[in-house]
Amino acid sequence: GQQVMQIPQYQHVQEGEDFTTYCNSSTTLSNIQWYKQRPGGHPVFLIQLVKSGEVKKQKRLTFQFGEAKKNSSLHITATQTTDVGTYFCAGRGGTSYGKLTFGQGTILTVHP
Amino acid sequence: DVKVTQSSRYLVKRTGEKVFLECVQDMDHENMFWYRQDPGLGLRLIYFSYDVKMKEKGDIPEGYSVSREKKERFSLILESASTNQTSMYLCAGSSEGGYQGNQPQHFGDGTRLSIL
Repeated sequence: GQQVMQIPQYQHVQEGEDFTTYCNSSTTLSNIQWYKQRPGGHPVFLIQLVKSGEVKKQKRLTFQFGEAKKNSSLHITATQTTDVGTYFCAGRGGTSYGKLTFGQGTILTVHP
Repeated sequence: DVKVTQSSRYLVKRTGEKVFLECVQDMDHENMFWYRQDPGLGLRLIYFSYDVKMKEKGDIPEGYSVSREKKERFSLILESASTNQTSMYLCAGSSEGGYQGNQPQHFGDGTRLSIL
């Protein structure tokens, strides 16, 4: 079945440094979503990418969807302590009733 | 916005017990999902439902069943709990049902289940 691999599993940065997490799917995706889970919280939707090569920005966060629609990345510029949490990508195949396949997540720690 | 409520934040049960986890959301005609979350494995889909009395197996359905008698309620059932089912269980809903389902998923706060 569809698999979504996400790296790295952990990332420790100093406040102000940049951060990137990457997702790769074993199959072509119809779209990909990104979620953030704060410590002790539940995943919260950040954004959805649909088009090949799409790039979207939310303030310091930049999301990209690969040309082949099999990979995606999230880049955070100048991290802040509020960015701490686990970031998940979640891909949807073509015929799924809204079913998502989640990556393993990247746990981001930001040291002040 | 969709609100998803899980009945318990923490639950402790014994091996062999039948366990019910309840989830309610406040929208009609919704997709609903049950995941388990384990360190290093992300969220893994157990079962999902796109309509009343409809259910589909996810990636790890073994040892679980579900019930959706009403649109707003989706129950996860551990038929005979085992220690390897100790985990965080997350329920989610999305506001668009049907085949395409492009809407984001909204999660409940989770139930941390321990099987002793």
